[in-house]
Amino acid sequence: GAGVSQSPSNKVTEKGKDVELRCDPISGHTALYWYRQSLGQGLEFLIYFQGNSAPDKSGLPSDRFSAERTGGSVSTLTIQRTQQEDSAVYLCASSRGQSSGNTIYFGEGSWLTVV
Amino acid sequence: QQQVKQSPQSLIVQKGGISIINCAYENTAFDYFPWYQQFPGKGPALLIAIRPDVSEKKEGRFTISFNKSAKQFSLHIMDSQPGDSATYFCAASIGYKLSFGAGTTVTVRA
Repeated sequence: GAGVSQSPSNKVTEKGKDVELRCDPISGHTALYWYRQSLGQGLEFLIYFQGNSAPDKSGLPSDRFSAERTGGSVSTLTIQRTQQEDSAVYLCASSRGQSSGNTIYFGEGSWLTVV
Repeated sequence: QQQVKQSPQSLIVQKGGISIINCAYENTAFDYFPWYQQFPGKGPALLIAIRPDVSEKKEGRFTISFNKSAKQFSLHIMDSQPGDSATYFCAASIGYKLSFGAGTTVTVRA
């Protein structure tokens, strides 16, 4: 597709279960990002990938959160033992390069609800 | 600690009016200042952006004003239209890393 694709678009899970969120970036984009958006809040940086490596994981809120990227393309964000405070929209984004001024394109997000 | 402070949280403007959103930052290493527009259920989309060596940038009805000495920048939406009703985020970046403001929900009344 032409844009950043995320799945699932909505996920309801029980507290304590693991979830996986998938991101398919724009073809040719080497940089990939995950952000979290809580209701009424701004966007919180989680992790940045350049190719398959993640030089900046500083925004991951706890060791229950992990992410990987394979083939320089698809990325998966995994949340283990989900908690209610994990409920949020998880946004994936990609850009052609890593320097300032490279437009970052966002997907429509995966809305996670932990009950 | 939020690196970019945005105000107001929300605003209502009549069709044809001017919407003004303000942002302030502390880190002088920021070198790129984009604004994103987000409609309900959609991801944020780049609206307009400016670099700190420019004091103003205009694209259609949208203008960024940038005051480097005050470490402030603002978005002006001229002739606001109902289709402009959305949440607007200012941001600032160093390299790959964007820091976002908390967002402003703009409602344009017909």
